[in-house]
Amino acid sequence: DIQMTQSPSTLSASVGDRVTVSCRANQSFSSWLAWYQQRPGKAPKLLIYRASNLAGGVPSRFSGSGSETEFTLTISSLQPDDFATYYCQQYKSHPYTFGQGTKLEIK
Amino acid sequence: QVQLVESGGGVVQPGRSLRLSCAASGFTFSNYAIHWVRQAPGKGLEWVAVISYDGTYKDHADSVKGRFTISRDNSKNTMYLEMNSLRLEDTAVYLCARAPSSRAAQFDYWGQGTLVTVSS
Repeated sequence: DIQMTQSPSTLSASVGDRVTVSCRANQSFSSWLAWYQQRPGKAPKLLIYRASNLAGGVPSRFSGSGSETEFTLTISSLQPDDFATYYCQQYKSHPYTFGQGTKLEIK
Repeated sequence: QVQLVESGGGVVQPGRSLRLSCAASGFTFSNYAIHWVRQAPGKGLEWVAVISYDGTYKDHADSVKGRFTISRDNSKNTMYLEMNSLRLEDTAVYLCARAPSSRAAQFDYWGQGTLVTVSS
């Protein structure tokens, strides 16, 4: 199985900050990576697919980059709605695996 | 609009069975693969199973293989997860998610989930 490791587990930031979340895989899988946002008690929401493609309706302050084993989610200027938990996921092969999540908290 | 609504969760004793449903609306259900993902209380996301758009391809996580079975009825726009021999560690919110394909495709819409609690 492909193992996904996110860092950091928790991130404290302020409105307007630029933040970066990292996701590392234990084997290469090209760009078959997605990022999801989950607010408490809500369904996950697709933000980024194929590592760098913005999903429909997602604000342009979100961006993704990377390939093979190293990936990054960047939020250019944090908004109040962005404080949530973020997950990366590889979908190259089953079992699809998720990172453990990064909780973005208000500083 | 695209909607996925899970149901069938509840409290069940270890070793018993439960069937979850995922009802779809707002899109052509028979064109999409559907996945089950679970989230234990306070934990992250764990992929459980997938079924192709026509039901001919299925796969299950090793942690549930032989106990859980995914299926779908395209005439009812509904997908199911039959869960047998439930264990304490199966306690989680179970979410269904849509994907354009059963392989190499992201989950573009998710349901809110249904809670399964396995407890004696």
